[in-house]
Amino acid sequence: GAVVSQHPSRVICKSGTSVKIECRSLDFQATTMFWYRQFPKQSLMLMATSNEGSKATYEQGVEKDKFLINHASLTLSTLTVTSAHPEDSSFYICSAGAASGSGEQFFGPGTRLTVL
Amino acid sequence: GQNIDQPTEMTATEGAIVQINCTYQTSGFNGLFWYQQHAGEAPTFLSYNVLDGLEEKGRFSSFLSRSKGYSYLLLKELQMKDSASYLCAPHGGATNKLIFGTGTLLAVQP
Repeated sequence: GAVVSQHPSRVICKSGTSVKIECRSLDFQATTMFWYRQFPKQSLMLMATSNEGSKATYEQGVEKDKFLINHASLTLSTLTVTSAHPEDSSFYICSAGAASGSGEQFFGPGTRLTVL
Repeated sequence: GQNIDQPTEMTATEGAIVQINCTYQTSGFNGLFWYQQHAGEAPTFLSYNVLDGLEEKGRFSSFLSRSKGYSYLLLKELQMKDSASYLCAPHGGATNKLIFGTGTLLAVQP
């Protein structure tokens, strides 16, 4: 159990376009999902906490108008990178919080975004 | 503030034992996770410590001292497939956020 999927796994886009990444919890309901970004050889940086039915909470320094997060259901959260630029190229990973509230997070496989 | 400190890189020999240390300072503390991450992949759960002491799980053990803000991950009988980054992640507070350290890149050599 506790499987989280992400789609797409890899995307290449042109500068100025928008990209949507989906994160789904396949066998459990996740009231809270998290979005991370990871640059090469660096650790995971939390971008935002996504709560079902309410606005996402963004970490300091993360532009909420550039990284749009929608958590419309208990099994789906989406991250849209708007007007992407080459510096947005990164590995984006989502996770879903355990329903028990233990703090454990189940991670999706990640999405490799390359902006040309 | 919040701060997590781990060695950046470590090298060990196949079959040996390696200990990866982590010190942390966080505002609020509920427990500490260790995750393993292979290059280009998502992190996978290894262990979770809430109370002080050693938790053993097969070849992997994790230790926590809450008073010292210190944890370590012990890997025994190292295998080549253990070459990966190991992430120390304390969590606390009502938001259940995990704060990840920079990770320790472990290279296991024959």
